[in-house]
Amino acid sequence: SQTIHQWPATLVQPVGSPLSLECTVEGTSNPNLYWYRQAAGRGLQLLFYSVGIGQISSEVPQNLSASRPQDRQFILSSKKLLLSDSGFYLCAWGRGNTEAFFGQGTRLTVV
Amino acid sequence: ELKVEQNPLFLSMQEGKNYTIYCNYSTTSDRLYWYRQDPGKSLESLFVLLSNGAVKQEGRLMASLDTKARLSTLHITAAVHDLSATYFCAVVRYSGGGADGLTFGKGTHLIIQP
Repeated sequence: SQTIHQWPATLVQPVGSPLSLECTVEGTSNPNLYWYRQAAGRGLQLLFYSVGIGQISSEVPQNLSASRPQDRQFILSSKKLLLSDSGFYLCAWGRGNTEAFFGQGTRLTVV
Repeated sequence: ELKVEQNPLFLSMQEGKNYTIYCNYSTTSDRLYWYRQDPGKSLESLFVLLSNGAVKQEGRLMASLDTKARLSTLHITAAVHDLSATYFCAVVRYSGGGADGLTFGKGTHLIIQP
């Protein structure tokens, strides 16, 4: 069966520090991968998606970037965090008509 | 631009009652998802609806899809406290490269009181 791992679960980082969140999927190949963000009390916003290694599409201009160095690995990064980057970050995978499955999320607080 | 609107955004109801959450979307899509989110947790998949007229049921929850009206409903029957959560609908967005993510509604915060 397929599983998705996301870490860390929580993170507190100072403004201006770098960020790296990692997501890996097991039990499937060539999945579509997604990063979403949920700001406090708000809905989910798609940040990035990837249909293959090295293929990244960005949804909104922002202080973040994403990379897909391997088929089942998706990384969310920032060189310098802003206060507005705080939120709940969710990685998800999907393919074809299958459901979109979410990881457990990373709660990022920028202080 | 695909827009997804849920209503109500907040719902407080008593146990044993029935209620419906509505999800409207603005452009054609053939896949609609319902998710549940408990406080501080990730999203749990409830239903995926793939065609016009699709109806799926799990316990006290039933979801339906009308692609012509661009409307999905999540019906709660004889609500129980354990169903208290935030419920999101999400619609697949398509571009030239295929399915490229989900557009979510703002969520319905459901509180079920004894």
